[in-house]
Amino acid sequence: DTEVTQTPKHLVMGMTNKKSLKCEQHMGHRAMYWYKQKAKKPPELMFVYSYEKLSINESVPSRFSPECPNSSLLNLHLHALQPEDSALYLCASSQIQGTSRGANVLTFGAGSRLTVL
Amino acid sequence: RKEVEQDPGPFNVPEGATVAFNCTYSNSASQSFFWYRQDCRKEPKLLMSVYSSGNEDGRFTAQLNRASQYISLLIRDSKLSDSATYLCVVGGGGFKTIFGAGTRLFVKA
Repeated sequence: DTEVTQTPKHLVMGMTNKKSLKCEQHMGHRAMYWYKQKAKKPPELMFVYSYEKLSINESVPSRFSPECPNSSLLNLHLHALQPEDSALYLCASSQIQGTSRGANVLTFGAGSRLTVL
Repeated sequence: RKEVEQDPGPFNVPEGATVAFNCTYSNSASQSFFWYRQDCRKEPKLLMSVYSSGNEDGRFTAQLNRASQYISLLIRDSKLSDSATYLCVVGGGGFKTIFGAGTRLFVKA
């Protein structure tokens, strides 16, 4: 059982739709991440939030809009996506980097599989 | 040169075999090192962190050589359930965690 919960598990949307992916964790982690993974490729970092503030945006197109309402929740708002955006979107969380050996260990959710028609 | 490079796969081994995966990283300032396992159409899961002193967890042994910027994973007595993609992951400081392309392992009966 994963400690990071993502919804929905599957999403099919048209290029003009607006949808959101949601992620929730209750491990007390203060860093949350969005990754995109295409088939047979490694996860690619999109965004990182630390203490509910956006820390990293890996030059992601504006049709992807992240939001961190509180320390447990992370959303990814989708608008005007392209078929090439079809992928597995993974949410992850971690402790904030520090001297702890557990820092930066990512715990992933099961992912939201997105298909853009 | 890629930031994290792994052995090309796939590795096809019989049950009971010992298999080793290698990984090199380019950023000498990297601070944290991990092996993750990813099953088909599932999320990556931490297999083990890798420390300079080396560490072992049952049939799995991980080694780190900072001088050579090299990480390894050894799996002894392979099981069918070990079939997966193994991802070498390097933390460069901050929140940037770089994933290698992964090595696919198939263990056959």
